[in-house]
Amino acid sequence: AQKVTQAQTEISVVEKEDVTLDCVYETRDTTYYLFWYKQPPSGELVFLIRRNSFDEQNEISGRYSWNFQKSTSSFNFTITASQVVDSAVYFCALSEGYQAGTALIFGKGTTLSVSS
Amino acid sequence: DTGVSQDPRHKITKRGQNVTFRCDPISEHNRLYWYRQTLGQGPEFLTYFQNEAQLEKSRLLSDRFSAERPKGSFSTLEIQRTEQGDSAMYLCASSLSSGGGGYEQYFGPGTRLTVT
Repeated sequence: AQKVTQAQTEISVVEKEDVTLDCVYETRDTTYYLFWYKQPPSGELVFLIRRNSFDEQNEISGRYSWNFQKSTSSFNFTITASQVVDSAVYFCALSEGYQAGTALIFGKGTTLSVSS
Repeated sequence: DTGVSQDPRHKITKRGQNVTFRCDPISEHNRLYWYRQTLGQGPEFLTYFQNEAQLEKSRLLSDRFSAERPKGSFSTLEIQRTEQGDSAMYLCASSLSSGGGGYEQYFGPGTRLTVT
């Protein structure tokens, strides 16, 4: 069965610190998709990134970077030089199958608090 | 560029009453999803539509829940005979679909239901 585990429930950092959010997934499919979403205090989930199981290339987008490792079933997310505006709940999610058009399986989320 | 919209944003109802929520997806998206999120948890999948066809339903979707997407555009989610356990945030999302791969889901602001 598919499952997403975000072991870190809450993380607190001071502005400008780097922070890594961990995500471990379980799936029996060879084709799957992984996602990160951000949920700020306003409540609306914001899409950050999608990765498919055939593309293990790490990605950097501004202060954000993602490390996908199939060998350890992990898809970790790093924020460099964190800012107060990064404070939010971050969710990792998994979708199985070739079309990935069905259910997203979410982890329980990691609450990131960045103080000034 | 209009995102996913949901109405109402908040609903307070008494146990046993029926409630209906509406979701308007991003106009060019043919897939529409409903999720439920309770405090401290990630969203949980309820059901999804491709155009007007309801293609998948979660075991969470009891007989008291019904969803429709009559013309392949907006969708409604009705809960009959509400129970206190139905209190949650109900999220709608939409996405494109294709035969070649997955697309990210874009979420609306949610409808927060409180059953008293």
